[in-house]
Amino acid sequence: QQQVKQSPQSLIVQKGGISIINCAYENTAFDYFPWYQQFPGKGPALLIAIRPDVSEKKEGRFTISFNKSAKQFSLHIMDSQPGDSATYFCAAWHNAGNMLTFGGGTRLMVKP
Amino acid sequence: DSGVTQTPKHLITATGQRVTLRCSPRSGDLSVYWYQQSLDQGLQFLIHYYNGEERAKGNILERFSAQQFPDLHSELNLSSLELGDSALYFCASSQKRASGELFFGEGSRLTVL
Repeated sequence: QQQVKQSPQSLIVQKGGISIINCAYENTAFDYFPWYQQFPGKGPALLIAIRPDVSEKKEGRFTISFNKSAKQFSLHIMDSQPGDSATYFCAAWHNAGNMLTFGGGTRLMVKP
Repeated sequence: DSGVTQTPKHLITATGQRVTLRCSPRSGDLSVYWYQQSLDQGLQFLIHYYNGEERAKGNILERFSAQQFPDLHSELNLSSLELGDSALYFCASSQKRASGELFFGEGSRLTVL
């Protein structure tokens, strides 16, 4: 059962452009929504996270937008750089369940 | 470097065999999580331990088992291996009992021939 759906599966963006990755969840018990970045041969690394009582969080070029009523959240990467090329995972934490559920991942390629 | 150490990095074995993957969490972290990452399958949650006790179990096969030892390192045991068990196995740790902020190791790549 896929509780967190992520799209698109792959994304190609020109350098300097905006990369947008979307996620939707079903379980309203989720109470923390992190994004992870994974480079080839490495483990995922926490990038940015948001709680459902906040509609937007920005850290540098990375912004999470959160729509609680729609049960959707998205990652925006402004001024995308070739070094941002990686796989991005959205995730949702279920406090009572003690587990972090990941979306299917988005492979981002930023062309120079 | 996340501070989480996983061994071995690569492992090739045959069907029907048993392997043990080891994870040392970050210093001070009490929670250990195991995830499986297959090609095009994303990250599938297997199991979570906190200070030696099992806290949550995902879609972990009965052929798989895990434990966390008093020194907080953890081991994932995979037995009666099948071709479909070939995957990257990640360990992650967290300081808190319940937190979505996980620190991942670099994974153990298992190939079953």
